[in-house]
Amino acid sequence: DAGITQSPRHKVTETGTPVTLRCHQTENHRYMYWYRQDPGHGLRLIHYSYGVKDTDKGEVSDGYSVSRSKTEDFLLTLESATSSQTSVYFCAISGPRGATNTEAFFGQGTRLTVV
Amino acid sequence: AQSVTQLDSQVPVFEEAPVELRCNYSSSVSVYLFWYVQYPNQGLQLLLKYLSGSTLVKGINGFEAEFNKSQTSFHLRKPSVHISDTAEYFCAVSVGNNDMRFGAGTRLTVKP
Repeated sequence: DAGITQSPRHKVTETGTPVTLRCHQTENHRYMYWYRQDPGHGLRLIHYSYGVKDTDKGEVSDGYSVSRSKTEDFLLTLESATSSQTSVYFCAISGPRGATNTEAFFGQGTRLTVV
Repeated sequence: AQSVTQLDSQVPVFEEAPVELRCNYSSSVSVYLFWYVQYPNQGLQLLLKYLSGSTLVKGINGFEAEFNKSQTSFHLRKPSVHISDTAEYFCAVSVGNNDMRFGAGTRLTVKP
């Protein structure tokens, strides 16, 4: 999986609690992404990062924040989890050595359930 | 922003038959196109990609796709499928900003 580790792999949390998902890469890729996967919607981009401390919103960013303080780590935070955020979350990386428009490599996913 | 439409949510097919999974995209600028496969409880794996050049792209596991700019399509084909091809397939498009957008997916089921 191109040196991408997501943690935790599974999490159950209660509505209203904060949750942080971590993505760690060992490939030194420039770009990192967080997607959510839901039936009938495919993968939708939440946020992405194009460098340390450089992030931008995707198409479904409401209710989520991200941080990237190091090249290898990209954190996704749900400030106050809601049931609509129950989903499978995927981290992806792309852009080795600053290249653009290359394919993305995906982690194994984190299954988050908000009860 | 760019977008992708996968025209079939499910495609059942018998083993050794040919298959085509359809993908149309929308973008006002030049695009880069990808097909990914997802096996159960796994992440996505790249099948093939079109960045430039020849419009017929060959990928892994015997899959190929053809980029058709006039029809804004990037359909995935395989001449003879196997049981092991049963999976979900995603078409994706990106433009120069590395903002990659995915279609809703097509579930391919290969029957014996």
